[in-house]
Amino acid sequence: GAGVSQSPRYKVAKRGQDVALRCDPISGHVSLFWYQQALGQGPEFLTYFQNEAQLDKSGLPSDRFFAERPEGSVSTLKIQRTQQEDSAVYLCASSSNPLRHEQFFGPGTRLTVL
Amino acid sequence: RKEVEQDPGPFNVPEGATVAFNCTYSNSASQSFFWYRQDCRKEPKLLMSVYSSGNEDGRFTAQLNRASQYISLLIRDSKLSDSATYLCVVKGGSYIPTFGRGTSLIVHP
Repeated sequence: GAGVSQSPRYKVAKRGQDVALRCDPISGHVSLFWYQQALGQGPEFLTYFQNEAQLDKSGLPSDRFFAERPEGSVSTLKIQRTQQEDSAVYLCASSSNPLRHEQFFGPGTRLTVL
Repeated sequence: RKEVEQDPGPFNVPEGATVAFNCTYSNSASQSFFWYRQDCRKEPKLLMSVYSSGNEDGRFTAQLNRASQYISLLIRDSKLSDSATYLCVVKGGSYIPTFGRGTSLIVHP
């Protein structure tokens, strides 16, 4: 079956631009996570959804970052007024239920802010 | 101090070698432990969970030492295809996993 998909795969933005990154989780997966991965580092947690509820957004680095999952399936991570330090790979992962650990990751969106 | 620490490597080993990585964690209340594998420019994928009694999956053996707060991954008979970054993952009582920065393994002919 289809895995987690993300779009766009690559995004180049000028500093100050707004960007929107999309995640299509595996159908029926309740849990959805967003991570930020800088070069040479592990994924850093940004936010977590259980269905449409955003249960944890403690990892969002600033109020320029906003995520939503209005119908409990597709999720969008929005970054306003992008800065160079936002350059990273943004990974989305889903899992079938909150008690199940294994997360299935999408291929990520590589964001470069010039 | 980071919650989950790993030696970034790279570990450079010949085919057929045995190699081991450790990962230390700071939260003594951590409950679940995992190893993920990430190939260059790809997404992480679950390699194996780590159980208290230790567990094996083919050439891979994972161990947990709660007293010293570390987990380990042993790879026997290394293959070229084992070249990747190995991410240690720790979970406490919440849904949120914490990833280490990863250990890079390069297996050469």
